[in-house]
Amino acid sequence: RKEVEQDPGPFNVPEGATVAFNCTYSNSASQSFFWYRQDCRKEPKLLMSVYSSGNEDGRFTAQLNRASQYISLLIRDSKLSDSATYLCVVNMRNSGYALNFGKGTSLLVTP
Amino acid sequence: DTGVSQDPRHKITKRGQNVTFRCDPISEHNRLYWYRQTLGQGPEFLTYFQNEAQLEKSRLLSDRFSAERPKGSFSTLEIQRTEQGDSAMYLCASSLVRGLAGKAGELFFGEGSRLTVL
Repeated sequence: RKEVEQDPGPFNVPEGATVAFNCTYSNSASQSFFWYRQDCRKEPKLLMSVYSSGNEDGRFTAQLNRASQYISLLIRDSKLSDSATYLCVVNMRNSGYALNFGKGTSLLVTP
Repeated sequence: DTGVSQDPRHKITKRGQNVTFRCDPISEHNRLYWYRQTLGQGPEFLTYFQNEAQLEKSRLLSDRFSAERPKGSFSTLEIQRTEQGDSAMYLCASSLVRGLAGKAGELFFGEGSRLTVL
């Protein structure tokens, strides 16, 4: 089983739609969770950290379910500029600091 | 520019040749990471350093790969006897130690070094 699994998509949604991405992780001892965003042919950049109680940053909401080892990202009121690949990231087994990336979920927001 | 810089940005080489990539992290960052990314995949962890110490190395990493960070500043990643399967984007990232044990900090990535092995 891969350490971080995501639905690769692509998700094609119209502007203004709400879209949700899910991610599961295998290491029950993981403590650090993130969503990164990667634009085509660019480097990944941090979108947001994911906290146990869930957290929101503008149109973006992240949730963590430790019991199910599941992370989600919700994007409300999608913009064309949200088109990108969203990478679920978890710290690796037996390592506090090395991060393990999922394959990414591709999002295309259309006019 | 105070971001992570990588050199060269592109490298085309013939199978069997050695290649070396350099990474200059953000100056105050003491952790440095190397990842590899191929098309349609997320970044795959290769190794990381805290200051000059190499603390972790992926078990998937061939012995042909070696990384150094001799003075705790810049790092090099060398691939010996390159194979076509080594063709990928090699990403370097740096981060700052956080106060909480076991908590990973935000990774700041460079633009990557793209390797093509013919």
